[in-house]
Amino acid sequence: DTGVSQNPRHKITKRGQNVTFRCDPISEHNRLYWYRQTLGQGPEFLTYFQNEAQLEKSRLLSDRFSAERPKGSFSTLEIQRTEQGDSAMYLCASKEAGGGGHEQFFGPGTRLTVL
Amino acid sequence: ELKVEQNPLFLSMQEGKNYTIYCNYSTTSDRLYWYRQDPGKSLESLFVLLSNGAVKQEGRLMASLDTKARLSTLHITAAVHDLSATYFCAVPPTQKLVFGQGTRLTINP
Repeated sequence: DTGVSQNPRHKITKRGQNVTFRCDPISEHNRLYWYRQTLGQGPEFLTYFQNEAQLEKSRLLSDRFSAERPKGSFSTLEIQRTEQGDSAMYLCASKEAGGGGHEQFFGPGTRLTVL
Repeated sequence: ELKVEQNPLFLSMQEGKNYTIYCNYSTTSDRLYWYRQDPGKSLESLFVLLSNGAVKQEGRLMASLDTKARLSTLHITAAVHDLSATYFCAVPPTQKLVFGQGTRLTINP
């Protein structure tokens, strides 16, 4: 399978715990994006990387959230001290670099439930 | 700040009928994307519209883009049950995508 993969697919945690999600992009894609989607809404942008550089962060990305892409391949998204409002689907997407209008390809998502 | 609005948000239609979903956006963009999402699933890319007047068709779906009006349409022809899903349009003001709220489409036999 050469698509975007995400792990875990589901995570249930208690409020106040830390969680970490992983995203493996399509291998030749050097741009990687994180989005959050709550029930009944469209995805909202969190952050994106070009190679290992984090180039844009949304104001939605509070200081409890951190994302890394240390070697320009896979990425991790960590949420510290989780809150019930963090419950959502976290989507990762990847894209080829450069122009040409290439679309972002999305992974299956990690559904987070904070109790 | 870019806003992307879709209408209708909910659409229930009978098989065999035609309908159109509208996507308006508030600032200039020369490209727009349409995605499909099935319940509990991720997003599947449907169309990439790259210029004013662009029209793309795949099966019973056809998408168009009018950058001057800041409007895209997704037209469904002779709907079938398999097209039941939520459809999102998305605009790239920068590298990120800004999505509409989605249109939940239900097609009844």
